[in-house]
Amino acid sequence: IAGITQAPTSQILAAGRRMTLRCTQDMRHNAMYWYRQDLGLGLRLIHYSNTAGTTGKGEVPDGYSVSRANTDDFPLTLASAVPSQTSVYFCASSDGQGGGNEQFFGPGTRLTVL
Amino acid sequence: GQNIDQPTEMTATEGAIVQINCTYQTSGFNGLFWYQQHAGEAPTFLSYNVLDGLEEKGRFSSFLSRSKVYSYLLLKELQMKDSASYLCAVRDGDYKLSFGAGTTVTVRA
Repeated sequence: IAGITQAPTSQILAAGRRMTLRCTQDMRHNAMYWYRQDLGLGLRLIHYSNTAGTTGKGEVPDGYSVSRANTDDFPLTLASAVPSQTSVYFCASSDGQGGGNEQFFGPGTRLTVL
Repeated sequence: GQNIDQPTEMTATEGAIVQINCTYQTSGFNGLFWYQQHAGEAPTFLSYNVLDGLEEKGRFSSFLSRSKVYSYLLLKELQMKDSASYLCAVRDGDYKLSFGAGTTVTVRA
């Protein structure tokens, strides 16, 4: 693995189903993030984790949950998917929160909820 | 919440210069980032400004004025591969990034 990976690449899901989007990074970054990207709205932060064992809510957390059991993995779970959660989901990581530490993005997961 | 404004679309000719403006309103300020995103791909980092002034990186430059809450990204000697969406993002007082909706730049031959 080099960088940050996400799985699945794309998924079509029936409304009401539970779904976990996976994210793994091998850069030993402390901070990880989940965003959704919708046309005309840009990237919006769902949840974040500043370090393993801690998580926080972003701008649009409702309907989503996360966990950070270790440094490398940061799964995002939709407990009961709804059509408004149709979006492209990006996971990102950064070495720290401040300074010039840019966020590195995974390739994204395209999710369609019917 | 945060408010990041940038133009929706811009078109320019190969070899030309394009300037993408970004204005912002945030709770606190800890730096401004520009990202490039090609269609169907992930955003990739272009530049970071935290102090007023110009940062130059090859054909790309980014400018920040904190007093005017304004930034721009300057793309010089445009190439076809520069056709992409350019995202302005501001890191707020809680060190969270807020993104603008992006500016789609189309480079024409």
